[in-house]
This record gives sequence, C-alpha cells and structure tokens, in this order.
Amino acid sequence: GAVVSQHPSRVICKSGTSVKIECRSLDFQATTMFWYRQFPKKSLMLMATSNEGSKATYEQGVEKDKFLINHASLTLSTLTVTSAHPEDSSFYICSARAASGGADTQYFGPGTRLTVL
Amino acid sequence: DAKTTQPTSMDCAEGRAANLPCNHSTISGNEYVYWYRQIHSQGPQYIIHGLKNNETNEMASLIITEDRKSSTLILPHATLRDTAVYYCIVRATNNAGNMLTFGGGTRLMVKP
Repeated sequence: GAVVSQHPSRVICKSGTSVKIECRSLDFQATTMFWYRQFPKKSLMLMATSNEGSKATYEQGVEKDKFLINHASLTLSTLTVTSAHPEDSSFYICSARAASGGADTQYFGPGTRLTVL
Repeated sequence: DAKTTQPTSMDCAEGRAANLPCNHSTISGNEYVYWYRQIHSQGPQYIIHGLKNNETNEMASLIITEDRKSSTLILPHATLRDTAVYYCIVRATNNAGNMLTFGGGTRLMVKP
C-alpha cells in the first residue's frame, strides 16, 4: 500500500515557540493532503485540507494564522504550529489522497505527538 | 456524506472471526464505504473499501447488504494485534473536499 511518513514522531517544546511537522507521501504523488488532530480517547478531527500549489482550506474553528500549512510539492506538506501553548498539545496526523479508479483512498501518516510545556 | 452508526465496543476471542457491523441507512448511490483502523498512538490504517459488491483483500472482507444500508467488516482470524478502534466511513466520490469524517468507531478487543 501507499506509504505516508511524518517527521518528527514526537516533539516537546516550550510555550511560545513554533513547531513544524512534515508530511511526505513516499511512493505516490498527492495533490491533496489533510491535517487532523486527535485528543486522548477522542476521534480524529479534520483541521484543514491542503492542495498542492494553493492555499489550504481550514475547518471552522481552526485558526489559519496559528496553524500554517504549506503544500509546496506533490509529496510534501508541512504544518507549523505557531506560538504554541499547552492547549495545542495533541496528536497531529496527516493523510494523503491517492487516486485509484472510481474511488480514491486516503493513507495516513504515523502521527506526531506534540507536547507544549 | 452519510452518517454511520457503529457499536462502541466489541470483544473477540483470538483465532475467531471478528464481525464488525456498521449502519449507514442514509447512504447515497455515489458513496463508497471505507474501513480504517487505528491502533493506539498510531495513525489510522486503511483496510478496505467498497461500493456495492463484497470485497476481500489480504486484511479483511467487506460485506455490503443489497440495499447498501449496512455493512460488515470481517477479520477472518483475529489476532491480538488486531486490537484497535475500527472506523466505518462513507464518502462520496464527488466530494470536492475528499475529506474523511471520523465518528466514534468500534473499539475491538481481541482476547487470548
């Protein structure tokens, strides 16, 4: 199956700093990537949809100036959490869309656990 | 996209078949049924998807009822490593956002 990687897998930072998370599709090109966040014992919540070469579309309630998304190539999207605060601590997961016949399938990265002190 | 309903949790004995049901009574004709699972502290893993016909791959089988209002994911010989939260999602192929909307899923516990 298609492989999506994320880096780093785990990061601890001080409050007020910025953190960048990378998402890569390793063996396919992804015109669309998605960013989710997941709090403990909760389901995944979509944050934004990222299309290569264009601005990301953010879900309601997600601050675009705080969660900066860049999708500069067909295999790489980045999420930058700016001026991080403890309430931003969460599990961040990306996915990449791979087209296949009449349906397309999203493949997920392993996730990045962010802890803001 | 249509909403799905799944049991909150299920147990299964190791080596036995695990049958996970999903109701999607408001599914539209152009919506596929997707199954993902998430093992603790990992990203979701794609399992299988289908439109009308039953599907099988190396991981599981997907049985969709003729009226498409419900489906069942079958893990033929469950192992301890199959313990995870299983998500049933329906999504239209013409969904411009192509996003997946995750519900609560079913927490499957495979026991020795």
